[in-house]
Amino acid sequence: RKEVEQDPGPFNVPEGATVAFNCTYSNSASQSFFWYRQDCRKEPKLLMSVYSSGNEDGRFTAQLNRASQYISLLIRDSKLSDSATYLCVATRGGNEKLTFGTGTRLTIIP
Amino acid sequence: DAGITQSPRYKITETGRQVTLMCHQTWSHSYMFWYRQDLGHGLRLIYYSAAADITDKGEVPDGYVVSRSKTENFPLTLESATRSQTSVYFCATSLLFDTGELFFGEGSRLTVL
Repeated sequence: RKEVEQDPGPFNVPEGATVAFNCTYSNSASQSFFWYRQDCRKEPKLLMSVYSSGNEDGRFTAQLNRASQYISLLIRDSKLSDSATYLCVATRGGNEKLTFGTGTRLTIIP
Repeated sequence: DAGITQSPRYKITETGRQVTLMCHQTWSHSYMFWYRQDLGHGLRLIYYSAAADITDKGEVPDGYVVSRSKTENFPLTLESATRSQTSVYFCATSLLFDTGELFFGEGSRLTVL
């Protein structure tokens, strides 16, 4: 079983809709969690950290459920520019221990 | 300010040849990383470095060699390339040890025939 698992998608969502993805992690020792965004044939970039209390950054909301060992990303009022692959990341400590999921591909349809 | 630069961006080589992928950063970040990204596997850490002259293995180090004689450079060498090393290679840096924030280069796409 992979340490971080994501639904690969693709998720095809109309512009303006709300979309959510989950990511599960198997290692209960995982301490910190992040969402990265990767555009097609580009490098990954940090989108947001995921805090225990949940956090919001504009149209994006990230939540952590330690009991069920999953994190989620919610995108409201989706834009065409949100089309990308979203990578879920967990770590048990330092940055050398980051474990990346394989990503969920999102396409926003006009 | 280029930040982090990888070269070459694209490389085609043959099995058995030695290949070096270069990574250069202008930020003076202490930590540098090499990842490979393959379909179905996500990003996997090959090697990382906490500072000049300090390197350590990641998840998939076999077949690769790294060095870090200067803070700004972190080359990755495939000593004898194999087809299974066909991949996209990303170099990354981080300022701090455990923030989870990595800054990635644009990637080097390597094909081994």
